[in-house]
Amino acid sequence: DAGVIQSPRHEVTEMGQEVTLRCKPISGHNSLFWYRQTMMRGLELLIYFNNNVPIDDSGMPEDRFSAKMPNASFSTLKIQPSEPRDSAVYFCASKGLAVSTDTQYFGPGTRLTVL
Amino acid sequence: AQSVTQLGSHVSVSEGALVLLRCNYSSSVPPYLFWYVQYPNQGLQLLLKYTTGATLVKGINGFEAEFKKSETSFHLTKPSAHMSDAAEYFCALGGSSTLGRLYFGRGTQLTVWP
Repeated sequence: DAGVIQSPRHEVTEMGQEVTLRCKPISGHNSLFWYRQTMMRGLELLIYFNNNVPIDDSGMPEDRFSAKMPNASFSTLKIQPSEPRDSAVYFCASKGLAVSTDTQYFGPGTRLTVL
Repeated sequence: AQSVTQLGSHVSVSEGALVLLRCNYSSSVPPYLFWYVQYPNQGLQLLLKYTTGATLVKGINGFEAEFKKSETSFHLTKPSAHMSDAAEYFCALGGSSTLGRLYFGRGTQLTVWP
């Protein structure tokens, strides 16, 4: 299996620009998670989906952030407009069909730098 | 409420020495516990997990962890550290009512000296 795929791996943009991060979960997984990792705040859960439906988006920092999962094989995290404090590594993870005992599998991450 | 505390943000050991990374949890439901490892510029990968059954869990690369309910702990150990073990380690908590969500600790950076 190819694992969780994220693109791009690196993104450098200027403040005010729109940024879209993409994730392809492992085939057959029905849960998808978006995390943000920074030195200051560690690993934070932003939002997660079960069967393409957002379950908890309480971790989304503010209205500038939005996430969608139009189908079981694709999700996006969008930041508009971006700000320097959004600079971080963003991870996507997916989980299989069983109950909570299943492992979350992480993608390689997208390193975002907002200038 | 669900929470995880990792004691010590940085741990340093000599190669060949015992590795002990501490994790305590708070959970309102029977816990599922995980240890993940993150190497530089990579995503997190699972080391081991406890769900039910045997409380001593063995994982990859010679690591193991013991679930102690009375102490609400799930400490990670390895008898002999190797240079390649240098990484960041995360303890995580799930449970049957969390809909698959994991609660992560802040992580412990392990340094191994030659």
